[in-house]
Amino acid sequence: NAGVTQTPKFQVLKTGQSMTLQCAQDMNHNSMYWYRQDPGMGLRLIYYSASEGTTDKGEVPNGYNVSRLNKREFSLRLESAAPSQTSVYFCASSDETQYFGPGTRLLVL
Amino acid sequence: GENVEQHPSTLSVQEGDSAVIKCTYSDSASNYFPWYKQELGKGPQLIIDIRSNVGEKKDQRIAVTLNKTAKHFSLHITETQPEDSAVYFCAVGNNAGNMLTFGGGTRLMVKP
Repeated sequence: NAGVTQTPKFQVLKTGQSMTLQCAQDMNHNSMYWYRQDPGMGLRLIYYSASEGTTDKGEVPNGYNVSRLNKREFSLRLESAAPSQTSVYFCASSDETQYFGPGTRLLVL
Repeated sequence: GENVEQHPSTLSVQEGDSAVIKCTYSDSASNYFPWYKQELGKGPQLIIDIRSNVGEKKDQRIAVTLNKTAKHFSLHITETQPEDSAVYFCAVGNNAGNMLTFGGGTRLMVKP
């Protein structure tokens, strides 16, 4: 039981490049989430998916898109990366409790 | 929307002492209050949570207290150990935690 897994662990992008962050969970949870974590600002919700086939915006959705590919997988896409998107990205899934993945550290130059 | 404030932002204690972290929230409808511990380079991990039908919950050296009237809750760690050093986040949710709003975090340092 791996819990929540994320790939890649670390990525460097140039401004304007695109990339997709992958997340998968093996706990059969309906809900999945993407957060970003910046120094001194805690965790901020980007997008969430309450169930397979649905997605909704969180607090900071601008510049991101998501896909709930199936019940296990929830991906986050940056179409045109900007330096302001340099952050640590966490995926989570939940039943009654949210469980977090190990994070993806993204640097946009 | 919900607003969660967490204090202090940093806390340094001597090994064996107690540590207390406090959070306040704004939405009186909130009913789920988890605490997460985040070690360096890792994702947050749930350490304890409380729902609004109880005022206190304890698990070994950690406890959480909730005052719904005043809209604040606290994490208490007793007999601190160096391995307790980490960043701690409070969070507030409703409907059993499906949506959470996080506090800004507290960096706890336990000095041997």
